[in-house]
Amino acid sequence: DTGVSQNPRHKITKRGQNVTFRCDPISEHNRLYWYRQTLGQGPEFLTYFQNEAQLEKSRLLSDRFSAERPKGSFSTLEIQRTEQGDSAMYLCASSGTWTGSSYEQYFGPGTRLTVT
Amino acid sequence: EDQVTQSPEALRLQEGESSSLNCSYTVSGLRGLFWYRQDPGKGPEFLFTLYSAGEEKEKERLKATLTKKESFLHITAPKPEDSATYLCAVQASYIPTFGRGTSLIVHP
Repeated sequence: DTGVSQNPRHKITKRGQNVTFRCDPISEHNRLYWYRQTLGQGPEFLTYFQNEAQLEKSRLLSDRFSAERPKGSFSTLEIQRTEQGDSAMYLCASSGTWTGSSYEQYFGPGTRLTVT
Repeated sequence: EDQVTQSPEALRLQEGESSSLNCSYTVSGLRGLFWYRQDPGKGPEFLFTLYSAGEEKEKERLKATLTKKESFLHITAPKPEDSATYLCAVQASYIPTFGRGTSLIVHP
């Protein structure tokens, strides 16, 4: 397995534009997470999927953010009407196995978003 | 609400100078405490999971230990390639809570 992949790696957009990021998890993992990380901070939880079901969403997550995981495989995170405060590294992680339970997470390389 | 506090925020060591990083936590019903390494501009890399007080895990120059209130990441005879940010996270449900990390720089 090649691990968790994310695309694009970098995105520069103008304020007010919409952006979409993609995450491909480790194939046998059934849980997928999205985080946001800014300089000097740890990853901040955004949302979490088990298979295709979105089970939890951070209270801090604006309505401008939406995520999907069709068919329980890859996931997309969309940010509508971007603001400068959305500039951050967006991380995807996967965990768990189809046949067991495993809590450690494996992260992708992240997508660096810059809103100008 | 789960809380994780890591100290120090930054640590500078000379190559070969052993030290420890601290992760203090409060959580109701710990399922696991995790240590990750993060290099600049990259995603965190999983190092260890600790499940119960008294447990220890080792990997090369790193050793993680766990008590009911804190975890330590001991670095023995560090090398410059150990320079990174080390993140601690605790998990009670399926959602982990991360600390802010300790930035470690090891000088040759």
